[in-house]
Amino acid sequence: GAGVSQTPSNKVTEKGKYVELRCDPISGHTALYWYRQSLGQGPEFLIYFQGTGAADDSGLPNDRFFAVRPEGSVSTLKIQRTERGDSAVYLCASSFQAGGLYEQFFGPGTRLTVL
Amino acid sequence: KNEVEQSPQNLTAQEGEFITINCSYSVGISALHWLQQHPGGGIVSLFMLSSGKKKHGRLIATINIQEKHSSLHITASHPRDSAVYICAVKRVGTASKLTFGTGTRLQVTL
Repeated sequence: GAGVSQTPSNKVTEKGKYVELRCDPISGHTALYWYRQSLGQGPEFLIYFQGTGAADDSGLPNDRFFAVRPEGSVSTLKIQRTERGDSAVYLCASSFQAGGLYEQFFGPGTRLTVL
Repeated sequence: KNEVEQSPQNLTAQEGEFITINCSYSVGISALHWLQQHPGGGIVSLFMLSSGKKKHGRLIATINIQEKHSSLHITASHPRDSAVYICAVKRVGTASKLTFGTGTRLQVTL
């Protein structure tokens, strides 16, 4: 079956613009995670969903960042008034359920560049 | 101090060498992942372990919960093993989110 997919693969935008990044998890996976990876760093947690609800959004850096998962499948990460510091690779992962024993499967990421 | 530390940060090896990458963590965990990331590519999960040792092909992962330490070994290394290897932990009490190390960049030359 298909793995986790993310679109677009690359996004270049100007400072101050609004962007949306999409994640399609593996079919049947109820848990979905967003991470951000800056150049030369390991990924950092942003938010995770169990079903439709955001179970933990403690990693979102500020209120310019928001994510939704309205039907419990596809998720969209939304960034308002983008800043140059938002440039990073945004990674999505999914797992069958949340919890320590369920493996997370990662998508290829979206590389966001804010000029 | 990062909660997850990896060493070395960079590693160059010749084809055929035995490679060890280390991961130390300072928090209680429910599981530890070893992940592989190729340049420009996504992340692939190699292992998830909570105790003992796992082996897959030329890769071996071990964990010592008491010492809060894990190692990833690659036997008979090959240039296609060149990638960034990342250790990530699931902290106890934080459900599912992963806390990552900064990665070890491995280059295997002919």
